[in-house]
Amino acid sequence: EVQLVESGGGLVQPGGSLRLSCAASGFTFSNYWMSWVRQAPGKGLEWVANIKEDGSEQYYLDSVKGRFTISRDNAKKSLYLQMNSLRAEDTAVYYCARDSSGHYNAWGQGTLVTVSS
Amino acid sequence: EIVLTQSPGTLSLFPGERATLSCRASQSVSSNNLAWYQQKSGQAPRLLIYGVSSRAAGIPNRFSGSGSGTDFTLTISRLEPEDFAVYYCQQYGSSNFGGGTKVEIK
Repeated sequence: EVQLVESGGGLVQPGGSLRLSCAASGFTFSNYWMSWVRQAPGKGLEWVANIKEDGSEQYYLDSVKGRFTISRDNAKKSLYLQMNSLRAEDTAVYYCARDSSGHYNAWGQGTLVTVSS
Repeated sequence: EIVLTQSPGTLSLFPGERATLSCRASQSVSSNNLAWYQQKSGQAPRLLIYGVSSRAAGIPNRFSGSGSGTDFTLTISRLEPEDFAVYYCQQYGSSNFGGGTKVEIK
């Protein structure tokens, strides 16, 4: 069974940092691009970043460029999102998603990040 | 950047009725790169349709997708109680999502 389990969310002050993790199981992690998608409270879905199978390419939403870094460890079957200089507008549930040629055919349950003083 | 506009914002229907959801793109979507997702309250999204019309694994055949170019449709032939949810379209190129359509019980 394909599983993606996120962790690392929580309450952080504006300007603070947080590192999200996503543990994958049930499939060959190193064969897939992976993405982070977020959803602000009561809002729609927004793609945040993605990373190539071997980690050699990463792409970001314009509003998080320079602040967020996506990375992966294929040996540990894990995906990460380092989030720095957090803003109130980054408050959202962050989902880890498996990218299959552009669409997302597996999702984690999400982890809530709240940026507030 | 391609912008996806979904309509209507909310669709109020009875169980057993047919639901027709629209997703319009600001530019032509290439190579059938369009997907649909279902999201129930408090849950993660679930892939329903990819490549405009291919059902994902385990998705019932009452769900179907169609369209081309800039106009796409998700049809639920007969609504089951578990189908009342929010539906999003997504185009692959820039991973943009539409704003969603909520299908609610009338």
